[in-house]
Amino acid sequence: DTAVSQTPKYLVTQMGNDKSIKCEQNLGHDTMYWYKQDSKKFLKIMFSYNNKELIINETVPNRFSPKSPDKAHLNLHINSLELGDSAVYFCASSRSYLASNYNEQFFGPGTRLTVL
Amino acid sequence: AQSVTQLGSHVSVSEGALVLLRCNYSSSVPPYLFWYVQYPNQGLQLLLKYTSAATLVKGINGFEAEFKKSETSFHLTKPSAHMSDAAEYFCAVSGEGAQKLVFGQGTRLTINP
Repeated sequence: DTAVSQTPKYLVTQMGNDKSIKCEQNLGHDTMYWYKQDSKKFLKIMFSYNNKELIINETVPNRFSPKSPDKAHLNLHINSLELGDSAVYFCASSRSYLASNYNEQFFGPGTRLTVL
Repeated sequence: AQSVTQLGSHVSVSEGALVLLRCNYSSSVPPYLFWYVQYPNQGLQLLLKYTSAATLVKGINGFEAEFKKSETSFHLTKPSAHMSDAAEYFCAVSGEGAQKLVFGQGTRLTINP
């Protein structure tokens, strides 16, 4: 059983298109996250949601819009894709949104987005 | 604000040799510290975490890390490297409040036969 799953695994698209990445967790966690990993492997948080409520929004362009229909799902929609959006996007989940030594995050396998 | 510096973007060791991956953190509050491993084309997997119960933390796959407050360090070690340890390793810190992991730039570990 996959704990945190993402679809699709690979996404290749043209500049200007709109695309979505889906994430689901079956761990019963309340909090979910989106991270972006650039070509130099640098990981940076984009958003976090706790029980469908936005908790963290890290200076991400408005073209990125997360949506959480329920606490087990957090999708990422990207409008008007740009070359600089090419990256690997990771979804993660944790038991709660509060920082704690015991509140580790579990990561999905990633979605590699390539914008041509 | 929290930050993490991993010294050495690439570390290469021989199979059976000691692995030492360095991580220094900056935090205005007692930090929550984690090490994650990323195998090629995979997501991140938690190796270990600092829980304040002990300064020496044991993780999976024979890895351990020592928290040194005076040096603001949380270096990762393994006594004897195995070929399967080849991967990217990330140190991460989170402060208090809403959890937001801040990652170091990663260290790519290569194991030579």
